[in-house]
Amino acid sequence: KNQVEQSPQSLIILEGKNCTLQCNYTVSPFSNLRWYKQDTGRGPVSLTIMTFSENTKSNGRYTATLDADTKQSSLHITASQLSDSASYICVVDSNYQLIWGAGTKLIIKP
Amino acid sequence: NAGVTQTPKFQVLKTGQSMTLQCAQDMNHNSMYWYRQDPGMGLRLIYYSASEGTTDKGEVPNGYNVSRLNKREFSLRLESAAPSQTSVYFCASSEPGNYGYTFGSGTRLTVV
Repeated sequence: KNQVEQSPQSLIILEGKNCTLQCNYTVSPFSNLRWYKQDTGRGPVSLTIMTFSENTKSNGRYTATLDADTKQSSLHITASQLSDSASYICVVDSNYQLIWGAGTKLIIKP
Repeated sequence: NAGVTQTPKFQVLKTGQSMTLQCAQDMNHNSMYWYRQDPGMGLRLIYYSASEGTTDKGEVPNGYNVSRLNKREFSLRLESAAPSQTSVYFCASSEPGNYGYTFGSGTRLTVV
């Protein structure tokens, strides 16, 4: 069964610190992997999209990595800000069928 | 601002009542989607419309119907609401082959 699992479920860090969120997937076939940010009460917003051949992709302070051999991805947030408090969702595209992870809830404390 | 607009933002229904969730996009996208989001779970696709005039079932279509009224609008109807349909519903749009999905801000539905 196609699955996307994220860890941790939730994470609290202090403002200014870095953090890394994990995503493991068992999805076939694989088209691309996406990371979304979802603020409370809002719809998801795309952060990065990586195809099979891409290992790393950055969007400002967000850097996503992809290891297609081990079927793992990570999202690294550098110098966190209060506005980074949100849920971060890993999504794997399998021939236009999106398999969504449950997300990691990140809380940034001042 | 360009985007996806959903109405209403909040709704409380009694079991057995019906209602329609409205969605409109102004980006001229061909594809539109309805998802539901439940606590601790990933988004699940209810129905989608690859282009005007077509609709297809997603992962969890039971209890729902959809209408692609025109290229801009895609509505979701609950004919006889059940407590299991308590959820947050998101509409999204995209271009086929385009990686970017644009989501609305959601409708929080409670069925009592």
